[in-house]
Amino acid sequence: SQTIHQWPATLVQPVGSPLSLECTVEGTSNPNLYWYRQAAGRGLQLLFYSVGIGQISSEVPQNLSASRPQDRQFILSSKKLLLSDSGFYLCAWSVIVNTEAFFGQGTRLTVV
Amino acid sequence: AQSVTQPDIHITVSEGASLELRCNYSYGATPYLFWYVQSPGQGLQLLLKYFSGDTLVQGIKGFEAEFKRSQSSFNLRKPSVHWSDAAEYFCAVADTDKLIFGTGTRLQVFP
Repeated sequence: SQTIHQWPATLVQPVGSPLSLECTVEGTSNPNLYWYRQAAGRGLQLLFYSVGIGQISSEVPQNLSASRPQDRQFILSSKKLLLSDSGFYLCAWSVIVNTEAFFGQGTRLTVV
Repeated sequence: AQSVTQPDIHITVSEGASLELRCNYSYGATPYLFWYVQSPGQGLQLLLKYFSGDTLVQGIKGFEAEFKRSQSSFNLRKPSVHWSDAAEYFCAVADTDKLIFGTGTRLQVFP
Protein backbone atom coordinates (compact mmCIF):
# COMPACT_ATOMS: atom_id res chain seq x y z
CA SER A 1 0.00 0.00 0.00
CA GLN A 2 1.02 3.59 -0.48
CA THR A 3 2.30 5.72 2.35
CA ILE A 4 3.47 9.31 2.61
CA HIS A 5 6.06 10.49 5.10
CA GLN A 6 6.60 14.08 6.06
CA TRP A 7 9.16 15.43 8.50
CA PRO A 8 9.84 16.99 10.84
CA ALA A 9 6.50 17.08 12.67
CA THR A 10 7.29 20.35 14.40
CA LEU A 11 9.92 22.98 13.81
CA VAL A 12 10.80 26.27 15.47
CA GLN A 13 13.12 28.46 13.44
CA PRO A 14 14.41 32.01 13.87
CA VAL A 15 13.63 34.71 11.34
CA GLY A 16 16.21 34.74 8.56
CA SER A 17 17.18 31.10 8.93
CA PRO A 18 16.87 28.56 6.08
CA LEU A 19 14.18 25.92 5.81
CA SER A 20 14.00 22.45 4.38
CA LEU A 21 10.93 20.25 4.72
CA GLU A 22 10.95 16.83 3.15
CA CYS A 23 8.20 14.58 1.90
CA THR A 24 8.50 11.10 0.46
CA VAL A 25 5.94 8.71 -0.94
CA GLU A 26 6.26 4.93 -0.91
CA GLY A 27 4.43 2.25 -2.81
CA THR A 28 3.72 4.13 -6.04
CA SER A 29 5.55 5.49 -9.06
CA ASN A 30 5.40 8.89 -10.68
CA PRO A 31 2.96 10.41 -8.19
CA ASN A 32 1.74 13.96 -8.47
CA LEU A 33 3.04 15.83 -5.45
CA TYR A 34 1.73 18.92 -3.66
CA TRP A 35 2.72 21.33 -0.91
CA TYR A 36 -0.09 23.12 0.92
CA ARG A 37 0.04 25.63 3.73
CA GLN A 38 -2.64 26.04 6.33
CA ALA A 39 -2.49 29.24 8.37
CA ALA A 40 -4.26 29.40 11.73
CA GLY A 41 -8.03 29.50 11.23
CA ARG A 42 -7.79 29.46 7.47
CA GLY A 43 -8.16 26.94 4.70
CA LEU A 44 -5.56 25.22 2.61
CA GLN A 45 -3.45 27.25 0.25
CA LEU A 46 -1.72 25.35 -2.55
CA LEU A 47 1.91 26.44 -2.74
CA PHE A 48 3.51 24.12 -5.29
CA TYR A 49 2.72 21.02 -7.26
CA SER A 50 4.78 18.67 -9.39
CA VAL A 51 3.77 16.17 -12.04
CA GLY A 52 7.27 14.76 -12.51
CA ILE A 53 10.96 14.98 -11.59
CA GLY A 54 12.23 18.52 -11.94
CA GLN A 55 8.76 19.86 -12.87
CA ILE A 56 7.51 22.40 -10.38
CA SER A 57 4.52 24.69 -10.69
CA SER A 58 4.18 27.59 -8.28
CA GLU A 59 0.75 28.79 -7.31
CA VAL A 60 1.68 31.72 -5.10
CA PRO A 61 4.84 33.84 -5.48
CA GLN A 62 6.50 34.10 -2.10
CA ASN A 63 9.51 33.37 0.01
CA LEU A 64 9.43 29.63 -0.60
CA SER A 65 10.63 27.24 -3.30
CA ALA A 66 10.14 23.57 -4.04
CA SER A 67 12.20 20.87 -5.68
CA ARG A 68 11.68 17.30 -6.77
CA PRO A 69 15.08 15.66 -7.01
CA GLN A 70 13.68 12.13 -7.16
CA ASP A 71 10.43 10.59 -8.36
CA ARG A 72 8.93 10.21 -4.88
CA GLN A 73 10.64 13.04 -3.03
CA PHE A 74 9.36 16.58 -2.71
CA ILE A 75 11.22 19.28 -0.79
CA LEU A 76 10.01 22.68 0.39
CA SER A 77 12.73 25.24 1.03
CA SER A 78 13.43 28.78 1.97
CA LYS A 79 16.69 30.70 2.09
CA LYS A 80 15.49 33.16 4.73
CA LEU A 81 12.35 32.59 6.75
CA LEU A 82 9.89 35.37 7.54
CA LEU A 83 7.49 35.54 10.46
CA SER A 84 4.66 35.19 7.96
CA ASP A 85 5.97 31.77 6.92
CA SER A 86 4.65 30.28 10.15
CA GLY A 87 1.90 27.76 9.60
CA PHE A 88 1.01 24.12 9.12
CA TYR A 89 2.58 22.64 5.99
CA LEU A 90 1.04 19.62 4.35
CA CYS A 91 2.45 17.40 1.65
CA ALA A 92 0.09 15.36 -0.49
CA TRP A 93 0.18 13.02 -3.45
CA SER A 94 -2.26 11.78 -6.07
CA VAL A 95 -2.29 9.23 -8.85
CA ILE A 96 -4.02 11.51 -11.34
CA VAL A 97 -3.84 15.28 -11.03
CA ASN A 98 -7.54 15.96 -10.64
CA THR A 99 -8.51 13.08 -8.40
CA GLU A 100 -8.30 12.58 -4.67
CA ALA A 101 -5.09 13.56 -2.91
CA PHE A 102 -3.62 11.74 0.09
CA PHE A 103 -2.02 13.81 2.78
CA GLY A 104 0.92 13.49 5.13
CA GLN A 105 0.65 14.30 8.81
CA GLY A 106 1.94 17.82 8.37
CA THR A 107 4.73 19.99 9.78
CA ARG A 108 3.98 22.74 12.28
CA LEU A 109 6.45 25.56 11.54
CA THR A 110 6.83 28.43 13.95
CA VAL A 111 9.11 31.26 12.94
CA VAL A 112 10.27 33.32 15.92
CA ALA B 1 -12.06 30.54 -11.77
CA GLN B 2 -13.14 27.46 -9.90
CA SER B 3 -13.94 27.97 -6.24
CA VAL B 4 -15.45 26.29 -3.22
CA THR B 5 -17.47 28.01 -0.53
CA GLN B 6 -18.18 26.61 2.90
CA PRO B 7 -20.49 29.20 4.43
CA ASP B 8 -20.36 27.87 7.98
CA ILE B 9 -17.08 28.56 9.77
CA HIS B 10 -18.10 26.87 13.01
CA ILE B 11 -20.96 24.49 13.84
CA THR B 12 -21.89 23.08 17.22
CA VAL B 13 -24.16 20.06 17.64
CA SER B 14 -25.10 17.71 20.45
CA GLU B 15 -23.95 14.14 20.35
CA GLY B 16 -26.58 12.01 18.65
CA ALA B 17 -27.99 14.89 16.64
CA SER B 18 -27.99 14.96 12.86
CA LEU B 19 -25.44 17.00 10.95
CA GLU B 20 -25.31 18.80 7.63
CA LEU B 21 -22.25 20.74 6.48
CA ARG B 22 -22.75 22.96 3.47
CA CYS B 23 -20.54 23.23 0.41
CA ASN B 24 -21.12 25.21 -2.77
CA TYR B 25 -18.83 25.10 -5.75
CA SER B 26 -18.22 27.06 -8.89
CA TYR B 27 -17.11 24.95 -11.82
CA GLY B 28 -17.92 25.06 -15.51
CA ALA B 29 -18.11 21.35 -16.26
CA THR B 30 -19.16 18.29 -14.30
CA PRO B 31 -17.15 18.58 -11.11
CA TYR B 32 -15.16 16.02 -9.19
CA LEU B 33 -16.00 16.74 -5.54
CA PHE B 34 -14.48 15.63 -2.25
CA TRP B 35 -14.93 15.90 1.49
CA TYR B 36 -11.98 15.64 3.86
CA VAL B 37 -11.73 15.62 7.64
CA GLN B 38 -8.84 16.96 9.71
CA SER B 39 -8.30 16.23 13.38
CA PRO B 40 -6.25 18.81 15.32
CA GLY B 41 -2.58 18.77 14.34
CA GLN B 42 -3.10 16.05 11.77
CA GLY B 43 -3.24 15.69 8.02
CA LEU B 44 -6.43 15.43 6.00
CA GLN B 45 -8.33 12.18 5.56
CA LEU B 46 -10.61 11.56 2.61
CA LEU B 47 -14.22 10.94 3.69
CA LEU B 48 -15.86 10.51 0.31
CA LYS B 49 -15.77 11.58 -3.32
CA TYR B 50 -18.13 12.16 -6.22
CA PHE B 51 -17.10 11.70 -9.83
CA SER B 52 -20.30 10.71 -11.62
CA GLY B 53 -23.35 8.46 -11.35
CA ASP B 54 -25.47 8.22 -8.22
CA THR B 55 -25.68 11.68 -6.70
CA LEU B 56 -25.81 10.32 -3.15
CA VAL B 57 -22.41 8.99 -2.18
CA GLN B 58 -21.50 7.05 0.91
CA GLY B 59 -18.23 7.53 2.72
CA ILE B 60 -16.36 6.33 5.72
CA LYS B 61 -17.38 6.87 9.35
CA GLY B 62 -21.09 6.92 8.47
CA PHE B 63 -20.93 10.10 6.37
CA GLU B 64 -22.75 10.69 3.11
CA ALA B 65 -22.98 13.57 0.69
CA GLU B 66 -25.43 14.56 -2.01
CA PHE B 67 -24.47 16.26 -5.27
CA LYS B 68 -27.10 18.71 -6.49
CA ARG B 69 -26.16 20.21 -9.82
CA SER B 70 -29.06 22.68 -9.83
CA GLN B 71 -27.85 24.16 -6.57
CA SER B 72 -24.11 23.73 -7.20
CA SER B 73 -23.94 22.03 -3.84
CA PHE B 74 -22.31 18.99 -2.29
CA ASN B 75 -23.47 18.94 1.33
CA LEU B 76 -22.10 16.46 3.83
CA ARG B 77 -24.48 14.69 6.19
CA LYS B 78 -24.48 12.28 9.09
CA PRO B 79 -27.66 11.08 10.80
CA SER B 80 -26.17 10.79 14.30
CA VAL B 81 -23.00 12.57 15.34
CA HIS B 82 -20.48 11.01 17.72
CA TRP B 83 -18.12 12.98 19.96
CA SER B 84 -15.21 11.64 17.90
CA ASP B 85 -16.56 13.49 14.85
CA ALA B 86 -15.34 16.79 16.31
CA ALA B 87 -12.84 18.04 13.75
CA GLU B 88 -12.48 20.38 10.81
CA TYR B 89 -14.13 19.46 7.55
CA PHE B 90 -13.03 20.58 4.11
CA CYS B 91 -14.88 20.44 0.82
CA ALA B 92 -12.81 20.40 -2.37
CA VAL B 93 -13.34 20.49 -6.12
CA ALA B 94 -10.88 19.19 -8.68
CA ASP B 95 -9.47 21.75 -11.08
CA THR B 96 -7.53 20.77 -14.20
CA ASP B 97 -4.41 19.77 -12.29
CA LYS B 98 -5.10 20.23 -8.58
CA LEU B 99 -7.71 20.31 -5.84
CA ILE B 100 -9.22 23.58 -4.68
CA PHE B 101 -10.32 23.59 -1.07
CA GLY B 102 -12.89 25.56 0.85
CA THR B 103 -11.93 27.37 4.02
CA GLY B 104 -13.31 24.61 6.22
CA THR B 105 -16.00 24.14 8.83
CA ARG B 106 -15.04 23.41 12.41
CA LEU B 107 -17.42 20.98 14.08
CA GLN B 108 -17.81 20.97 17.83
CA VAL B 109 -19.78 18.19 19.50
CA PHE B 110 -21.31 18.55 22.95
CA PRO B 111 -22.09 15.47 25.07
